[in-house]
Amino acid sequence: EVQLVESGGDLVQPGGSLRLSCAASGFTFSSYMMAWVRQGPGKGPEWVAKIKADGREKYYADSVKGRFTVSRDNAQNSLYLQVDSLRVEDTAVYYCALDADYSFKSWGQGTLVTVSS
Amino acid sequence: QSALTQPPSASGSPGQSVTISCTGTSSDVGGYNHVSWYQQHPGKAPKLMICEVNKRPSGVPDRFSGSKSGNTASLTVSGLQAEDEADYYCSSYTGGNGWVFGGGTKVTVL
Repeated sequence: EVQLVESGGDLVQPGGSLRLSCAASGFTFSSYMMAWVRQGPGKGPEWVAKIKADGREKYYADSVKGRFTVSRDNAQNSLYLQVDSLRVEDTAVYYCALDADYSFKSWGQGTLVTVSS
Repeated sequence: QSALTQPPSASGSPGQSVTISCTGTSSDVGGYNHVSWYQQHPGKAPKLMICEVNKRPSGVPDRFSGSKSGNTASLTVSGLQAEDEADYYCSSYTGGNGWVFGGGTKVTVL
């Protein structure tokens, strides 16, 4: 069974940084593209970033380009999202998701990032 | 990229059908057969219900079906059951390795 467990969310001031982590199990992590998707309070999900299986290609939503960095460690079955220069509008639950066939097949339970002064 | 347009709410009695629309543009819904639908219960993560316009992942009841015409995709839930009450979101690939979601539709089982 696919299991994705996020961690690292916190309350942070505008301009601050966090590193979100996602521990994966139940599938061959190194064979799959992975993604981060966030969901602001009362809003629909928003795709944030994607990383290919070997980690060499990364893609970002325009809203986070230059501020967020996605990475992975296939030896540790882990996905990461470094979030810098945080803004109030980045407040959301951040989910890691298994990206396959142009859809998000499995999701973690999410980790909450709150940006507020 | 603007969000896809969904009606904010839909409802039906147990056993009835409900259909949710998802309208985009030729740059997303109309341009690719990569439309997905997700179900989300309160406080839970989204769950994939339909991918590639009309394909059901393993374990999803066949009461759920998807279709697309032009720039509008649709999700139909037939034989409504109490556990189908949830928020539903559509999503489309946009090319350039990006995705866009809809604003969500709250389905109420009367």
